[in-house]
Amino acid sequence: ETGVTQSPTHLIKTRGQQVTLRCSSQSGHNTVSWYQQALGQGPQFIFQYYREEENGRGNFPPRFSGLQFPNYSSELNVNALELDDSALYLCASSRWGVATDTQYFGPGTRLTVL
Amino acid sequence: ILNVEQSPQSLHVQEGDSTNFTCSFPSSNFYALHWYRWETAKSPEALFVMTLNGDEKKKGRISATLNTKEGYSYLYIKGSQPEDSATYLCASPKGGNQFYFGTGTSLTVIP
Repeated sequence: ETGVTQSPTHLIKTRGQQVTLRCSSQSGHNTVSWYQQALGQGPQFIFQYYREEENGRGNFPPRFSGLQFPNYSSELNVNALELDDSALYLCASSRWGVATDTQYFGPGTRLTVL
Repeated sequence: ILNVEQSPQSLHVQEGDSTNFTCSFPSSNFYALHWYRWETAKSPEALFVMTLNGDEKKKGRISATLNTKEGYSYLYIKGSQPEDSATYLCASPKGGNQFYFGTGTSLTVIP
C-alpha cells in the first residue's frame, strides 16, 4: 500500500452542485497529480500541483480547479457538476519533474453525479 | 496531450498460459514508459519504469521490453496465475512527470 490517501471514498452529487475531493501525499513527495478515470477509459490527466501552484493541465475545463497546501496535500474542486463528471478520481504523489520517478496513487474517490 | 494506446483491451487466459500485451506511444520527445498493475478496489501499483531503448525489466514472472525508436513496449506474463488478474496500464510522461495513460488491458486468468 502507498502512503497516499484520498477522501471521501464515495460521493453522490446532483447536476449543478460543487464537490471537493481531498488527497494526502506520500512523505518526501512535493507534487500531486489528479486523474479522472471514466468507465472504459484509462486515467486522464487533469492537472498537477507543485509549490502550491498548478503546473500543467490536461484537456479539462476551468470548472475543474485545485489547491495544494504547504504540507503538499491537495484538493480537487469541480463546480457546476455535469453527468459526465461521474468517474473515479485518482490522485498521485511524486517528486517534482522527474519523468523516471514512480507516481504513487491513492485508492481513488468514486463520484456519481445524478 | 500524448496518444498512448494499449492492446488488446481485454484478455482471458487459462491458468498456466503465458501472455503478452502491447503499449504504443509517441516516439518523439520520449522520457520514460511506466507500467502499472491495477487490481479491483486497490490503488494502481507500479511494476516497471523503462527509459532506454532495448531495455528489458523483470519482476518474477512478469517482464517488459521497450523500443523507443518505434514507440512500443511489451509486457509479458509467464505461466499466468489467478492472482495476475488485473488491469495493466502503461503511461508516458510529458513535461517532466505528467502521465498520459493508455486505456489499459484487462487480464482475467481462469483457474
